[in-house]
Amino acid sequence: KAGVTQTPRYLIKTRGQQVTLSCSPISGHRSVSWYQQTPGQGLQFLFEYFSETQRNKGNFPGRFSGRQFSNSRSEMNVSTLELGDSALYLCASSWETSGGDVHETQYFGPGTRLLVL
Amino acid sequence: QKEVVQNSGPLSVPEGAIASLNCTYSDRGSQSFFWYRQYSGKSPELIMFIYSNGDKEDGRFTAQLNKASQYVSLLIRDSQPSDSATYLCAVTPGGSQGNLIFGKGTKLSVKP
Repeated sequence: KAGVTQTPRYLIKTRGQQVTLSCSPISGHRSVSWYQQTPGQGLQFLFEYFSETQRNKGNFPGRFSGRQFSNSRSEMNVSTLELGDSALYLCASSWETSGGDVHETQYFGPGTRLLVL
Repeated sequence: QKEVVQNSGPLSVPEGAIASLNCTYSDRGSQSFFWYRQYSGKSPELIMFIYSNGDKEDGRFTAQLNKASQYVSLLIRDSQPSDSATYLCAVTPGGSQGNLIFGKGTKLSVKP
């Protein structure tokens, strides 16, 4: 199976702008989780979507939002960008059934590196 | 505050040695435990997962889980220079879905 894909891979924005990042999960996976990775804070959970519904949310301001489409592809949006939003944004897909078992191991995409100037 | 703690390292071992990476977690209700490897500039890559107390072996890697002590470890046997990376311990907290709590990672350097 093809892995998780994310677009774009690199992005440069200025403060106050907004940005939309896209994630296509592994075929058959129904859950998409988003993470922010910075050198100081490490990997932090943003939110998770399953069957187009947000099931879980981390401690990030409302400027960070997301959605999931019927084909499980997901987007996240950051509005009114701040310098501190510069980070690697990772999405991970999971949740597939096999032989009656649910497998929730998360597999990561290559990430989108966002630089806010 | 649910957290996962790892020694930041760097941990340096000679080629062929055993590397031992450790992780403790605070949420006693945690269900699933994962080790990811992350090369510089790349995304995390799954190495192993473990759900039950005890050892789980996969090739040169062995994960160990002790829920009573809230402790997870990863042993890498016959370490190779290509194993040099940051190793991330991640935990699924109890009552949560789709959410992994990560440690800050341990940087491993394997010297030829």
